[in-house]
Amino acid sequence: DGGITQSPKYLFRKEGQNVTLSCEQNLNHDAMYWYRQDPGQGLRLIYYSQIVNDFQKGDIAEGYSVSREKKESFPLTVTSAQKNPTAFYLCASTPSRWSSQGSNTEAFFGQGTRLTVV
Amino acid sequence: KNQVEQSPQSLIILEGKNCTLQCNYTVSPFSNLRWYKQDTGRGPVSLTIMTFSENTKSNGRYTATLDADTKQSSLHITASQLSDSASYICVVSGGGDYKLSFGAGTTVTVRA
Repeated sequence: DGGITQSPKYLFRKEGQNVTLSCEQNLNHDAMYWYRQDPGQGLRLIYYSQIVNDFQKGDIAEGYSVSREKKESFPLTVTSAQKNPTAFYLCASTPSRWSSQGSNTEAFFGQGTRLTVV
Repeated sequence: KNQVEQSPQSLIILEGKNCTLQCNYTVSPFSNLRWYKQDTGRGPVSLTIMTFSENTKSNGRYTATLDADTKQSSLHITASQLSDSASYICVVSGGGDYKLSFGAGTTVTVRA
């Protein structure tokens, strides 16, 4: 089955600790995205990558880092510099850049990782 | 600033009844509008995608409408089922390369 997989489902971080969230897709999609979801707010873009070895900051990139060494994988690291990391994190992928896509292009989301600071 | 406003924030309906969710946006230029269903603790799943020229699109008991002139969209749920309990998110694209603008969602609770 093709899809996008996030792990772990739940993650707990201690103060001052870096943690990494995994996102893997077997859809052969070029573009991958990380979003943060907080209660009562729309999804906000953290980072996105349109191609291997290239990624761009989104609207709320401070305190986060990513890598795109393989087409299938786009891990997100939440660093100690992120002062309010407790949130639901969603990874998504599309065949290519959203702006260049036709109207029926599907965007697939992972099942999310809930990160909590303890 | 590109914005997507959804209303109501939440609603409760009885099983079998219909309901309509609203989405107003200021995204410009406009490319397309998507409605997603998100179950609690899960990732969003696409329901419909509409472009500028499309006025209505259905997916089973879900029907989305779009008025590009007034920049309004609605999602109508017919004969609601308990499984329709979820958050419904309006997503508008077109404001830039990677820019997707997300609404905060409407939480629908269907009661037996």
